[in-house]
Amino acid sequence: SQQGEEDPQALSIQEGENATMNCSYKTSINNLQWYRQNSGRGLVHLILIRSNEREKHSGRLRVTLDTSKKSSSLLITASRAADTASYFCATDRAAGNKLTFGGGTRVLVKP
Amino acid sequence: KAGVTQTPRYLIKTRGQQVTLSCSPISGHRSVSWYQQTPGQGLQFLFEYFSETQRNKGNFPGRFSGRQFSNSRSEMNVSTLELGDSALYLCASSLDGTSEKLFFGSGTQLSVL
Repeated sequence: SQQGEEDPQALSIQEGENATMNCSYKTSINNLQWYRQNSGRGLVHLILIRSNEREKHSGRLRVTLDTSKKSSSLLITASRAADTASYFCATDRAAGNKLTFGGGTRVLVKP
Repeated sequence: KAGVTQTPRYLIKTRGQQVTLSCSPISGHRSVSWYQQTPGQGLQFLFEYFSETQRNKGNFPGRFSGRQFSNSRSEMNVSTLELGDSALYLCASSLDGTSEKLFFGSGTQLSVL
């Protein structure tokens, strides 16, 4: 079963605009990660935020985490056509490589 | 360094057959995990191996099995294929055996007819 619910399921924006997507989860976590997937290919790790962190930045990415609300958001600033992809949040609760993924947000960036 | 390599890229099988998928992790990575991705169920964890030992298993029937070799390469096997097994099977490796940054292969797209 999926731990996370992502919102929105799909997002269409113009190049240069910001894209924001949200992830909610159900149980306590060690950390939350965001991954990108292009057209049914493999996933690429974008950023990790630990349960004791509230905000993290990496390049044009900004991630927030609110453990009291069990939610996270991913902001992509100044989006580019190359950002067109599906974005997944994933939570890590226990030892070992057992991530639980959300349903994903499909982002289309129009040139 | 080469990335995670999965073979084959595409596979077509018929119901009742069995299939073996292969994954070579990034050199030096000792942990390999497998995920199934379908439009309906999304990404679901299958199992994870570290130093040839299965450490975690997802909620899949016993028809799904895997193993890891001493060189960290991994295989997963699905026996008695069902139509619902059609999916993209993704392998991921990590350096330190945690799930803090997984490196994924491009996947094997399995179609069961």
